[in-house]
This record gives sequence, structure tokens and C-alpha cells, in this order.
Amino acid sequence: AQSVTQLGSHVSVSEGALVLLRCNYSSSVPPYLFWYVQYPNQGLQLLLKYTSAATLVKGINGFEAEFKKSETSFHLTKPSAHMSDAAEYFCAVIKRGGAQKLVFGQGTRLTINP
Amino acid sequence: NAGVTQTPKFQVLKTGQSMTLQCAQDMNHNSMYWYRQDPGMGLRLIYYSASEGTTDKGEVPNGYNVSRLNKREFSLRLESAAPSQTSVYFCASSGNRGQETQYFGPGTRLLVL
Repeated sequence: AQSVTQLGSHVSVSEGALVLLRCNYSSSVPPYLFWYVQYPNQGLQLLLKYTSAATLVKGINGFEAEFKKSETSFHLTKPSAHMSDAAEYFCAVIKRGGAQKLVFGQGTRLTINP
Repeated sequence: NAGVTQTPKFQVLKTGQSMTLQCAQDMNHNSMYWYRQDPGMGLRLIYYSASEGTTDKGEVPNGYNVSRLNKREFSLRLESAAPSQTSVYFCASSGNRGQETQYFGPGTRLLVL
């Protein structure tokens, strides 16, 4: 079965610092990979997704993620954190050729310190 | 376009009561989903519907039923609520290809006493 692991349930960075949120998947065949963001008391919003085009994927709000097959990873980065980036971030996968069942990681809460 | 809408926003139930969560989308999507979100567990799929008239179980279907009323609407029913069903419920919709983005509603907070 597909699974997704997000390292670190809480990450705290200073405003202007690099943001790095880690995601690893377990699958012999690379799945479709997604990062979603959830602001307080809201639904989830897509940040970016990997569907087998370029391995470096750019998303909204200055975020990007790199697909690394050898490491089974899809880490999310942003060069310079902003206070408005404070939210919960979810990595998720869908198995290629299977039913459209998103499997989510447990989430990482990002806190930005002024 | 409203996207995905959910009602109610918040509900308190007593153990054993029943209720239906409503979801509608105006994006002409074929696929619709119900998830529950619990702290530290991410979102887990309860049921999904790949097209009007079809439904399939997800990871945590026990205690729930669903109805795909038409292409726009997908409801989730709790026949006899239990405290373990206290959660935030999200509805989502998407096109039918695996890489398509799922669009989420604002959620329903359910408290079962």
C-alpha cells in the first residue's frame, strides 16, 4: 500500500530563513505527488504537484519541491519564509494507474518567528 | 463559481443521533470524496465516488454511508454517531485522471458527546 511520511510534525523558522519540509513516499513505482497547505480553519489548497514532467516543480507563494526517485523524496522548500506562510502542510500521493485515492502524510505545522 | 461548498459548518450531536453532511460542487467534476481530519493523522479517505451512481469505500468507512445524489452533490450520513466520529470532515472533488487536483471544501466540524 502507498504510504507517505512527513518528518517533523512541527517546524519553526525565523522570518526570512529557508523553509524545508520533508516528505518521503514508499512505492516501487513513483506515484503522483502533491503538497497541500491548510490555513487555520480553512480547507486544503494545492501548493504544487509532480506528475512526471520536470523533477523540480514550482508552486504558488514561492514554494517549490524536487522529486528525487533515488531517495523516494519530495521535499518542499521556500528560500525566504514570510509570516503569512504559517500553516499546516500536507504531502500526499496517488498511485499511478490506480483509483484516485489521495493518501496523506500526517502533516507538518510550520511556525514563523518574527 | 463557489467551488466546493459544505453544510453545516459546525454540529454538535449526542451519541446515537444521526445526521447528514452535505457537499456540492459547481466545477462539473466527475469524482467526489469525503475525508476526515484528526490531529496527527492527516486526512483519511472515508468514501469516494468516481461518477454519478457509483461509490467506493476508502480507508475508514465504518459507521458512515454516502449518497451520490447527482453529479453535483455527495452526502455523508452518520446513522448512529459515536464519540470516535468527532472530527473535521472535508469534501473534495476532481476530474477523473489520477494527477488531477482535488479541490476541497471549507470543512464541517463535528462534535459527538
